[in-house]
Amino acid sequence: GAVVSQHPSWVICKSGTSVKIECRSLDFQATTMFWYRQFPKQSLMLMATSNEGSKATYEQGVEKDKFLINHASLTLSTLTVTSAHPEDSSFYICSAGPGGTDTQYFGPGTRLTVL
Amino acid sequence: GESVGLHLPTLSVQEGDNSIINCAYSNSASDYFIWYKQESGKGPQFIIDIRSNMDKRQGQRVTVLLNKTVKHLSLQIAATQPGDSAVYFCAENIAGSARQLTFGSGTQLTVLP
Repeated sequence: GAVVSQHPSWVICKSGTSVKIECRSLDFQATTMFWYRQFPKQSLMLMATSNEGSKATYEQGVEKDKFLINHASLTLSTLTVTSAHPEDSSFYICSAGPGGTDTQYFGPGTRLTVL
Repeated sequence: GESVGLHLPTLSVQEGDNSIINCAYSNSASDYFIWYKQESGKGPQFIIDIRSNMDKRQGQRVTVLLNKTVKHLSLQIAATQPGDSAVYFCAENIAGSARQLTFGSGTQLTVLP
């Protein structure tokens, strides 16, 4: 149980284009999901909290207009990187946890490379 | 915890030996802690968790110790195997923070044959 999936697992795009990453909870519902970014050899940095049916909460320094988050259902959150640039190249990971628990389970991550 | 930048602390152990990975957490208000294992190119995998009202918890081949006095967490892996080679992160959750996790800098564990 408590499986989180992400799609795509990797994506390469041209500078200036937008990329959408999906995060799904497969066997539970999640009113809250979290998006992280991880650069090579570094730890995970929380970008934003995705709330089902309401606006996402962004961490300080994360541009909400650049990283659009939509949490339209209890099993799906999407992160759209708009007008991507090479410095946005990173490993993006989402997490979610079943209601009533504190444990967060992570998706397999999405490797974004912007050329 | 904050990232240490480009250089992860490393730990090398001989196959079959026990491993101890340490973590200093940052917030005395944290009341829930998790250890994750991350293999290259994959998302973090849950290993074991512990609440602040405990000081020790055991799982299969793993033990987590919590010392709230010095804000220190450790993960012990018994009879380390090659498949245990990965980066290990501790994460802390602060009560009332909507289950947001703050991650430590991570430790690269390498198991030698």
